[in-house]
Amino acid sequence: QQQVKQSPQSLIVQKGGISIINCAYENTAFDYFPWYQQFPGKGPALLIAIRPDVSEKKEGRFTISFNKSAKQFSLHIMDSQPGDSATYFCAASGDSNYQLIWGAGTKLIIKP
Amino acid sequence: NAGVMQNPRHLVRRRGQEARLRCSPMKGHSHVYWYRQLPEEGLKFMVYLQKENIIDESGMPKERFSAEFPKEGPSILRIQQVVRGDSAAYFCASSERVSGYEQYFGPGTRLTVT
Repeated sequence: QQQVKQSPQSLIVQKGGISIINCAYENTAFDYFPWYQQFPGKGPALLIAIRPDVSEKKEGRFTISFNKSAKQFSLHIMDSQPGDSATYFCAASGDSNYQLIWGAGTKLIIKP
Repeated sequence: NAGVMQNPRHLVRRRGQEARLRCSPMKGHSHVYWYRQLPEEGLKFMVYLQKENIIDESGMPKERFSAEFPKEGPSILRIQQVVRGDSAAYFCASSERVSGYEQYFGPGTRLTVT
């Protein structure tokens, strides 16, 4: 029940295309869903986050879509660029729980 | 405003030696979290500390691993008598308030046990 399942494991997208990464969770107590971006040899950097009271949040080319009933959320990267090539992690936590539960990660490659 | 700092960035230890990993949180942050990342995997929570207190060490192995966050100085994650299975990237995060929200991560320490 504490797991966050992330897919796909790896993704190759042409430059200018849309990258979509999906996550699913079981614990209905989760109320914070961040996405992190990690470049090789670096720490994860907070990219965008959403709470379940909204169905979508957009920041620049990055959008989180949230489906509370299905217990799923996804990251969409519009107009994907080679500089977006990185590993992306979804995570989840509850207000009373500081432990971030992480997905396994998606290695994204944007082809020029 | 400097981010979370970790050192060393890379650490090589022989089996049986001790490893000490240091983390300085962001200015104004008094909550520190340590995570471990194995290759091709997500991060796994190890321990949560506030100044001079271990709040939750449920994710940390009970033997050989310890953590502290003294009143002065950085947080330290200590691994005694390292084994090959300890080889991983260890990340420290800090936050302004206690929660999973907006944890900011350091660059990590990559520990290799030979």
